[in-house]
Amino acid sequence: GAGVSQTPSNKVTEKGKYVELRCDPISGHTALYWYRQSLGQGPEFLIYFQGTGAADDSGLPNDRFFAVRPEGSVSTLKIQRTERGDSAVYLCASSLSLAGGYNEQFFGPGTRLTVL
Amino acid sequence: DAKTTQPPSMDCAEGRAANLPCNHSTISGNEYVYWYRQIHSQGPQYIIHGLKNNETNEMASLIITEDRKSSTLILPHATLRDTAVYYCIVRGSNYQLIWGAGTKLIIKP
Repeated sequence: GAGVSQTPSNKVTEKGKYVELRCDPISGHTALYWYRQSLGQGPEFLIYFQGTGAADDSGLPNDRFFAVRPEGSVSTLKIQRTERGDSAVYLCASSLSLAGGYNEQFFGPGTRLTVL
Repeated sequence: DAKTTQPPSMDCAEGRAANLPCNHSTISGNEYVYWYRQIHSQGPQYIIHGLKNNETNEMASLIITEDRKSSTLILPHATLRDTAVYYCIVRGSNYQLIWGAGTKLIIKP
């Protein structure tokens, strides 16, 4: 079946602009995660959704970052007043369940954001 | 902060077994060890996970020491397509995966 998809694959914007990044999780996956990955580093957790609600947004760096998942499927990560330091690959992942120790997260290919 | 320590890079000859070590000396009793890998310009891919018993699947084997302070991921017959960054992650009861910098594994022909 289809995996996690993210659009756009690349986004170039100017400092101060607003951007939206989209994630389509695997059908039926109730959990959705956003990560940010800078060059040479592992992914950094941003936010996690269980269904429609943000269960944990503690990884969002500041209030310029916001994410929604209104129908419990597609999610959009929104960044206002972008800064050059926001440049990174933004990864989305989804999983079936948090039960027990099993939490295989399936990742999308990421959106490479470049802020000029 | 990541709770694991991995060598920054390793080489392995094609066709040989690749053994990737990971130290997690502060692991708690209910924390699992996860391994993911990331091929260049792709999203991370789940490989395997375990609690205290050794695990094997179609991709790899995971050997966890008896004291659980370290583990080794084994790719039994490495191919060029196994060249990637391999992440060892310790995860507790919550959902968060805390990633370190991983090991860059290069498979050489």
